[in-house]
Amino acid sequence: QSVLTQPPSVSAAPGQRVTISCSGSNSNIGNNFASWYRQVPGTAPRLLIYQNDRRPSGIPDRFSGSKSGTSATLDITGLQTGDEGDYFCGTWDSSLGAVVFGGGTELTVL
Amino acid sequence: EVQMAQSGAEVKKPGESLTISCQGSGYSFAQQWIGWARQMPGRGLEWVGVIYPGDSETKYSPSFQGHVTISADTSINTAYLQWNTLRASDTAMYYCARFFVGEYSGYGDSWGQGTLVTVSS
Repeated sequence: QSVLTQPPSVSAAPGQRVTISCSGSNSNIGNNFASWYRQVPGTAPRLLIYQNDRRPSGIPDRFSGSKSGTSATLDITGLQTGDEGDYFCGTWDSSLGAVVFGGGTELTVL
Repeated sequence: EVQMAQSGAEVKKPGESLTISCQGSGYSFAQQWIGWARQMPGRGLEWVGVIYPGDSETKYSPSFQGHVTISADTSINTAYLQWNTLRASDTAMYYCARFFVGEYSGYGDSWGQGTLVTVSS
């Protein structure tokens, strides 16, 4: 069981918008920055968002992150079939003294 | 360009020891955290721990503390993940990454290709 809670799957049509949630507690998301990763099965994770809402170079602005209280959200607009994959949230947990991840959300672009 | 190059797949028996490696390049290896995450078949990511090569400070997830050891050699810009006694449940893909770990933050921005560890009798 993961420390951070994500929906197992989301889906939307090409061109539409999808939102993926990540729920935690005061010891993790509530008092620390959230990050988001995308992983195509069989490949390494790739950082999409760090420090709640910052994008590394090369990540399109269709991907955006936000945080409110003990939850973080990843928004993807203008969905493309190439966006399919597994999306993980992560953060630092001050009680555990460790990085923690969500269980992952599988995105399907119908 | 930051790159993380991991060692190849391993097949071991329960009770054996193992060390896998990750060489970082394109950044100041000694001055940034580098660490490991586990992904069991069909499962999500689990953070194992990190090391700061410059002073060898380590941080471990409570789930892995005592079962693995993370070390680094700054002369060859390489980090290691070591087991003294493997278990079948250690079977997984292990990813290394450059991590940013601070008072309010913990994320990996550059990831290796993964090392598949299979432990089976």
